[in-house]
Amino acid sequence: AQSVTQLGSHVSVSEGALVLLRCNYSSSVPPYLFWYVQYPNQGLQLLLKYTSAATLVKGINGFEAEFKKSETSFHLTKPSAHMSDAAEYFCAVSDTIQGAQKLVFGQGTRLTINP
Amino acid sequence: EAQVTQNPRYLITVTGKKLTVTCSQNMNHEYMSWYRQDPGLGLRQIYYSMNVEVTDKGDVPEGYKVSRKEKRNFPLILESPSPNQTSLYFCASRPQGQETQYFGPGTRLLVL
Repeated sequence: AQSVTQLGSHVSVSEGALVLLRCNYSSSVPPYLFWYVQYPNQGLQLLLKYTSAATLVKGINGFEAEFKKSETSFHLTKPSAHMSDAAEYFCAVSDTIQGAQKLVFGQGTRLTINP
Repeated sequence: EAQVTQNPRYLITVTGKKLTVTCSQNMNHEYMSWYRQDPGLGLRQIYYSMNVEVTDKGDVPEGYKVSRKEKRNFPLILESPSPNQTSLYFCASRPQGQETQYFGPGTRLLVL
């Protein structure tokens, strides 16, 4: 079965600095990978997804992620952090068991932006 | 507006008092799912449904029931809630053959 590990439960950066949120996955087949964002008191919103097309995936709000098969990684980056980026971020891999697809989530990374 | 709705958004109850959290989607999606979110554990799947009258257990089904009598609705039932079911619950849906799931706003449940 697939699994996801997010390195760092809390990440803090200054406004304008690079954002890097790490995600490693394990999968026996080519994976579908996702990053979701959860703003305070809201549901999950899709940031971006990798579905075996281009390895560099661009998402909303200036975020992007690069699929690296050799490193089994799908790290999320943004060149310049904004205060509005403060949220919790979840990496997820799509798993198929007995024909049923589901998302397997990492434990989440809470991003704090310092003024 | 295409969306997944959940009710109630917040609920405080006592141990053993049956409750139902409703989930409805207006996108005609075949697949629906329930997750619970707990600090440090991310989201874990409780139950899912591939279509009407087709449901199956996820990773943490104990203490929960679901039904799928209509395509748009997928209620989560706690017959006898316990404090360890205090959590944030999310419903999600997606169309058959697509990977992206769409999430509801969440229901925060406190069981005393």
